[in-house]
Amino acid sequence: QKEVEQNSGPLSVPEGAIASLNCTYSDRGSQSFFWYRQYSGKSPELIMFIYSNGDKEDGRFTAQLNKASQYVSLLIRDSQPSDSATYLCAVNGGNKLVFGAGTILRVKS
Amino acid sequence: DAGITQSPRYKITETGRQVTLMCHQTWSHSYMFWYRQDLGHGLRLIYYSAAADITDKGEVPDGYVVSRSKTENFPLTLESATRSQTSVYFCASTVTSGGNNEQFFGPGTRLTVL
Repeated sequence: QKEVEQNSGPLSVPEGAIASLNCTYSDRGSQSFFWYRQYSGKSPELIMFIYSNGDKEDGRFTAQLNKASQYVSLLIRDSQPSDSATYLCAVNGGNKLVFGAGTILRVKS
Repeated sequence: DAGITQSPRYKITETGRQVTLMCHQTWSHSYMFWYRQDLGHGLRLIYYSAAADITDKGEVPDGYVVSRSKTENFPLTLESATRSQTSVYFCASTVTSGGNNEQFFGPGTRLTVL
């Protein structure tokens, strides 16, 4: 069974700080990595995805992959209270995604 | 309505009853998925479909049945609901190759089994 592990949190950071979220995956052959954000009571929405060929930056968000150690991270710079949500990591497993349980992020103003 | 919709949004039923959750997407996406979300477990895949008339089991398929006679619809049926099936159910779709492209999620159905 392919697994994706995340620290459930909550991770608390002050407004303006960098939030660092991590997830580890078990399938060394995974090629695609996704970060979804989920607000309470809402459905997940994609914020970043990367392939195994490199990191990616998009505005305040940076996704980084460490293939040797099998973990992927999401950095959120200049964190805002509106970033407070659950962040789900997902890894491709054939024709489907395997999701982690999510990390709760709280940004305090 | 454009996008992916689910109905009903909320449902309360009793143990042993049959319940069908509906999912409809207007993008003509090939792949569709059903997940359940429970506290501490994240999203767990129940069933998925690569195209009309093609379905496959996910991580937690027991107690559920799916069908896909049309590309745009992917209903999920609980044949005899149990309390352990109380959960939030999300439907999702993606254009192709379900593991390498963004999945778009519906708004979810909150199901309570008494």
